[in-house]
Amino acid sequence: GQSLEQPSEVTAVEGAIVQINCTYQTSGFYGLSWYQQHDGGAPTFLSYNALDGLEETGRFSSFLSRSDSYGYLLLQELQMKDSASYFCAVKSNYQLIWGAGTKLIIKP
Amino acid sequence: EAGVTQSPTHLIKTRGQQATLRCSPISGHTSVYWYQQALGLGLQFLLWYDEGEERNRGNFPPRFSGRQFPNYSSELNVNALELEDSALYLCASSLALGRGRQETQYFGPGTRLLVL
Repeated sequence: GQSLEQPSEVTAVEGAIVQINCTYQTSGFYGLSWYQQHDGGAPTFLSYNALDGLEETGRFSSFLSRSDSYGYLLLQELQMKDSASYFCAVKSNYQLIWGAGTKLIIKP
Repeated sequence: EAGVTQSPTHLIKTRGQQATLRCSPISGHTSVYWYQQALGLGLQFLLWYDEGEERNRGNFPPRFSGRQFPNYSSELNVNALELEDSALYLCASSLALGRGRQETQYFGPGTRLLVL
């Protein structure tokens, strides 16, 4: 079967750095995306990696290792507004497969 | 540019009834996706429409169905509603999801369905 694994919950302190991991097992892989969803809101796109390496967008970075079927989202200088759920999603052939989401809890 | 819109925002039905949810994609987007998100859980893929055709469906019973209209808007129908159908139903749109390409999905605000 096809699956994505990510931690259900991660806790960090305001101002710190946190990494959310995602491992995947899919038939076909074209890229790994990350989405953010605040409570009561809709998911919004954060980043996309098709090739190995690190992509940086402001305080957020995303990494991919296709040989390890692994990626992560790195959030730096955490702010309270970063408290949300983060989903990884893999484009596999003609479908987008989603992880179950990681709830990020930020403490002051 | 207008984003993805969904209607209604909230819907209350009783068990056994039918629900119809509507979605209008971003202008220029031909693909529409439907997801179910139960409270506190992840996204469960329901259906994908592109150019008026159903391209893929998730692991849901046939009473979940839908269609895409010539203007690319879409409708999700849920027949014979059950209590466990209570969830947030999200619609997303993207440019055509061609093989080998990943197009960003843009989500609407969702329809919150409550089945009593």
